[in-house]
Amino acid sequence: AQSVAQPEDQVNVAEGNPLTVKCTYSVSGNPYLFWYVQYPNRGLQFLLKYITGDNLVKGSYGFEAEFNKSQTSFHLKKPSALVSDSALYFCAVRDIRYEPFTFGIGTKLQVIP
Amino acid sequence: EPEVTQTPSHQVTQMGQEVILRCVPISNHLYFYWYRQILGQKVEFLVSFYNNEISEKSEIFDDQFSVERPDGSNFTLKIRSTKLEDSAMYFCASSVGQGRGSEQYFGPGTRLTVT
Repeated sequence: AQSVAQPEDQVNVAEGNPLTVKCTYSVSGNPYLFWYVQYPNRGLQFLLKYITGDNLVKGSYGFEAEFNKSQTSFHLKKPSALVSDSALYFCAVRDIRYEPFTFGIGTKLQVIP
Repeated sequence: EPEVTQTPSHQVTQMGQEVILRCVPISNHLYFYWYRQILGQKVEFLVSFYNNEISEKSEIFDDQFSVERPDGSNFTLKIRSTKLEDSAMYFCASSVGQGRGSEQYFGPGTRLTVT
Protein backbone atom coordinates (compact mmCIF):
# COMPACT_ATOMS: atom_id res chain seq x y z
CA ALA A 1 0.00 0.00 0.00
CA GLN A 2 1.08 3.56 -0.54
CA SER A 3 0.26 6.73 1.34
CA VAL A 4 1.10 10.39 1.42
CA ALA A 5 0.99 12.83 4.31
CA GLN A 6 0.89 16.59 4.08
CA PRO A 7 1.17 17.59 7.73
CA GLU A 8 0.15 21.25 7.32
CA ASP A 9 -3.34 22.28 6.29
CA GLN A 10 -2.11 25.80 5.58
CA VAL A 11 1.22 27.53 5.18
CA ASN A 12 1.52 31.31 5.42
CA VAL A 13 4.59 33.07 4.09
CA ALA A 14 5.46 36.68 3.34
CA GLU A 15 6.04 37.66 -0.25
CA GLY A 16 9.73 37.41 -1.11
CA ASN A 17 10.47 34.89 1.60
CA PRO A 18 11.37 31.27 0.89
CA LEU A 19 8.54 28.77 1.13
CA THR A 20 8.37 25.08 1.96
CA VAL A 21 5.35 22.80 1.65
CA LYS A 22 5.97 19.47 3.33
CA CYS A 23 5.20 15.97 2.07
CA THR A 24 6.14 12.56 3.41
CA TYR A 25 5.30 9.26 1.77
CA SER A 26 5.12 5.55 2.39
CA VAL A 27 5.57 2.96 -0.37
CA SER A 28 6.68 -0.64 -0.53
CA GLY A 29 9.07 -0.11 -3.42
CA ASN A 30 10.69 2.83 -5.11
CA PRO A 31 8.48 5.90 -5.25
CA TYR A 32 7.55 8.11 -8.12
CA LEU A 33 6.61 11.44 -6.55
CA PHE A 34 4.66 14.36 -7.97
CA TRP A 35 3.52 17.81 -6.96
CA TYR A 36 0.38 19.39 -8.34
CA VAL A 37 -1.10 22.85 -7.77
CA GLN A 38 -4.74 23.84 -7.89
CA TYR A 39 -5.81 27.44 -8.41
CA PRO A 40 -9.42 28.41 -7.72
CA ASN A 41 -11.85 26.96 -10.28
CA ARG A 42 -9.04 25.22 -12.15
CA GLY A 43 -7.92 21.61 -12.43
CA LEU A 44 -4.83 20.21 -10.76
CA GLN A 45 -1.78 21.40 -12.67
CA PHE A 46 1.40 19.36 -12.81
CA LEU A 47 4.39 21.13 -11.22
CA LEU A 48 7.20 18.59 -11.06
CA LYS A 49 8.06 14.97 -10.51
CA TYR A 50 10.81 12.75 -9.16
CA ILE A 51 11.47 9.51 -11.00
CA THR A 52 15.13 8.78 -10.49
CA GLY A 53 18.48 10.55 -10.52
CA ASP A 54 19.22 13.91 -8.93
CA ASN A 55 17.41 14.33 -5.63
CA LEU A 56 16.71 18.00 -6.37
CA VAL A 57 14.02 18.33 -9.00
CA LYS A 58 13.18 21.62 -10.71
CA GLY A 59 9.71 22.32 -12.03
CA SER A 60 7.35 24.98 -13.28
CA TYR A 61 7.05 28.55 -11.93
CA GLY A 62 10.41 28.40 -10.11
CA PHE A 63 9.41 25.56 -7.80
CA GLU A 64 11.73 22.75 -6.84
CA ALA A 65 11.48 19.71 -4.59
CA GLU A 66 14.00 17.64 -2.76
CA PHE A 67 13.68 13.86 -2.57
CA ASN A 68 15.04 12.51 0.70
CA LYS A 69 14.92 8.72 0.80
CA SER A 70 16.06 8.35 4.41
CA GLN A 71 13.38 10.72 5.64
CA THR A 72 10.83 9.54 3.04
CA SER A 73 10.11 13.15 2.21
CA PHE A 74 9.55 15.20 -0.92
CA HIS A 75 9.17 18.79 0.25
CA LEU A 76 8.24 21.50 -2.24
CA LYS A 77 10.31 24.67 -2.12
CA LYS A 78 10.67 28.04 -3.74
CA PRO A 79 13.39 30.58 -2.90
CA SER A 80 11.16 33.64 -3.14
CA ALA A 81 7.38 33.43 -2.82
CA LEU A 82 4.99 35.44 -4.99
CA VAL A 83 1.43 36.43 -4.10
CA SER A 84 0.37 34.56 -7.25
CA ASP A 85 1.74 31.33 -5.73
CA SER A 86 -1.22 31.31 -3.33
CA ALA A 87 -3.08 28.09 -4.13
CA LEU A 88 -3.72 24.54 -2.98
CA TYR A 89 -0.76 22.17 -3.35
CA PHE A 90 -1.06 18.40 -3.59
CA CYS A 91 1.67 15.81 -3.21
CA ALA A 92 1.11 12.44 -4.92
CA VAL A 93 2.92 9.11 -5.09
CA ARG A 94 2.87 6.09 -7.39
CA ASP A 95 4.52 2.80 -6.47
CA ILE A 96 3.67 -0.29 -8.43
CA ARG A 97 3.42 0.16 -12.14
CA TYR A 98 -0.09 1.10 -13.31
CA GLU A 99 -1.22 1.75 -9.76
CA PRO A 100 -3.06 5.04 -9.61
CA PHE A 101 -1.89 8.11 -7.82
CA THR A 102 -2.33 8.40 -4.08
CA PHE A 103 -2.76 12.04 -3.17
CA GLY A 104 -2.18 13.94 0.02
CA ILE A 105 -5.00 15.99 1.48
CA GLY A 106 -3.52 19.21 0.13
CA THR A 107 -1.84 22.23 1.71
CA LYS A 108 -3.18 25.72 1.23
CA LEU A 109 -0.38 28.17 0.60
CA GLN A 110 -1.11 31.77 1.43
CA VAL A 111 1.50 34.33 0.37
CA ILE A 112 1.01 37.59 2.19
CA PRO A 113 1.91 40.83 0.37
CA GLU B 1 -1.87 24.87 -24.01
CA PRO B 2 -4.35 21.99 -24.27
CA GLU B 3 -6.52 21.41 -21.21
CA VAL B 4 -8.92 18.83 -19.89
CA THR B 5 -12.41 20.31 -19.70
CA GLN B 6 -15.37 19.17 -17.60
CA THR B 7 -19.06 19.96 -17.63
CA PRO B 8 -21.04 20.99 -15.73
CA SER B 9 -18.99 22.87 -13.17
CA HIS B 10 -21.70 22.28 -10.55
CA GLN B 11 -24.48 19.71 -10.53
CA VAL B 12 -27.22 19.53 -7.93
CA THR B 13 -29.35 16.40 -7.89
CA GLN B 14 -31.77 14.62 -5.63
CA MET B 15 -30.91 11.35 -3.94
CA GLY B 16 -31.74 8.39 -6.16
CA GLN B 17 -31.40 10.30 -9.41
CA GLU B 18 -28.93 9.45 -12.16
CA VAL B 19 -26.19 11.90 -13.07
CA ILE B 20 -23.72 11.98 -15.92
CA LEU B 21 -20.53 13.96 -15.54
CA ARG B 22 -18.75 14.84 -18.75
CA CYS B 23 -15.11 15.31 -19.59
CA VAL B 24 -13.17 16.11 -22.73
CA PRO B 25 -9.60 14.81 -22.30
CA ILE B 26 -6.59 16.22 -24.13
CA SER B 27 -6.88 15.05 -27.72
CA ASN B 28 -3.74 12.90 -28.11
CA HIS B 29 -4.04 11.27 -24.69
CA LEU B 30 -4.89 7.59 -24.46
CA TYR B 31 -5.49 6.98 -20.75
CA PHE B 32 -8.38 8.45 -18.84
CA TYR B 33 -9.20 8.63 -15.16
CA TRP B 34 -11.83 9.75 -12.70
CA TYR B 35 -10.99 10.88 -9.18
CA ARG B 36 -13.14 12.42 -6.49
CA GLN B 37 -12.55 14.60 -3.48
CA ILE B 38 -15.06 14.75 -0.67
CA LEU B 39 -14.88 18.10 1.08
CA GLY B 40 -11.95 18.19 3.48
CA GLN B 41 -10.65 14.78 2.43
CA LYS B 42 -8.05 13.38 0.08
CA VAL B 43 -8.34 13.12 -3.67
CA GLU B 44 -9.33 9.48 -4.25
CA PHE B 45 -8.90 7.37 -7.36
CA LEU B 46 -12.09 5.94 -8.86
CA VAL B 47 -11.29 4.36 -12.21
CA SER B 48 -8.87 4.27 -15.11
CA PHE B 49 -9.87 3.60 -18.72
CA TYR B 50 -7.85 2.61 -21.75
CA ASN B 51 -8.70 1.20 -25.14
CA ASN B 52 -12.41 1.39 -24.41
CA GLU B 53 -12.31 -0.64 -21.26
CA ILE B 54 -11.71 -0.20 -17.57
CA SER B 55 -8.10 -0.98 -16.67
CA GLU B 56 -8.32 -0.41 -12.91
CA LYS B 57 -10.95 0.58 -10.42
CA SER B 58 -11.07 1.25 -6.72
CA GLU B 59 -13.40 -0.11 -4.08
CA ILE B 60 -15.40 3.10 -4.35
CA PHE B 61 -16.27 2.33 -7.96
CA ASP B 62 -19.15 -0.05 -7.32
CA ASP B 63 -22.05 -1.09 -9.52
CA GLN B 64 -23.62 2.34 -9.21
CA PHE B 65 -20.80 3.82 -11.26
CA SER B 66 -20.01 3.37 -14.93
CA VAL B 67 -17.75 5.06 -17.44
CA GLU B 68 -18.00 5.41 -21.17
CA ARG B 69 -16.20 6.98 -24.06
CA PRO B 70 -19.20 7.46 -26.35
CA ASP B 71 -17.24 9.13 -29.14
CA GLY B 72 -13.70 10.17 -29.96
CA SER B 73 -13.63 13.11 -27.57
CA ASN B 74 -15.89 12.66 -24.55
CA PHE B 75 -15.34 10.56 -21.44
CA THR B 76 -18.28 10.26 -19.06
CA LEU B 77 -18.90 9.10 -15.51
CA LYS B 78 -22.42 7.95 -14.71
CA ILE B 79 -23.77 7.47 -11.23
CA ARG B 80 -26.91 5.41 -11.54
CA SER B 81 -28.68 6.21 -8.27
CA THR B 82 -27.00 8.94 -6.32
CA LYS B 83 -26.56 8.83 -2.55
CA LEU B 84 -25.87 11.69 -0.17
CA GLU B 85 -22.32 10.42 0.29
CA ASP B 86 -21.65 10.83 -3.44
CA SER B 87 -21.49 14.58 -2.88
CA ALA B 88 -17.94 15.52 -3.83
CA MET B 89 -15.77 17.22 -6.40
CA TYR B 90 -15.17 14.86 -9.32
CA PHE B 91 -12.01 15.29 -11.36
CA CYS B 92 -11.34 13.84 -14.77
CA ALA B 93 -7.73 13.32 -15.84
CA SER B 94 -5.88 12.08 -18.89
CA SER B 95 -2.34 11.08 -19.74
CA VAL B 96 -0.37 10.14 -22.82
CA GLY B 97 1.08 7.03 -21.20
CA GLN B 98 0.42 4.88 -18.17
CA GLY B 99 3.97 4.35 -16.97
CA ARG B 100 4.71 5.36 -13.41
CA GLY B 101 6.54 8.43 -14.66
CA SER B 102 3.61 9.75 -16.69
CA GLU B 103 1.99 12.82 -15.28
CA GLN B 104 -1.77 13.13 -15.48
CA TYR B 105 -3.53 16.28 -16.56
CA PHE B 106 -6.63 17.18 -14.60
CA GLY B 107 -9.77 19.06 -15.43
CA PRO B 108 -11.24 21.77 -13.17
CA GLY B 109 -13.72 19.36 -11.63
CA THR B 110 -17.47 19.04 -11.31
CA ARG B 111 -18.92 19.72 -7.91
CA LEU B 112 -21.75 17.25 -7.33
CA THR B 113 -24.22 18.04 -4.59
CA VAL B 114 -26.75 15.35 -3.71
CA THR B 115 -29.70 16.54 -1.64
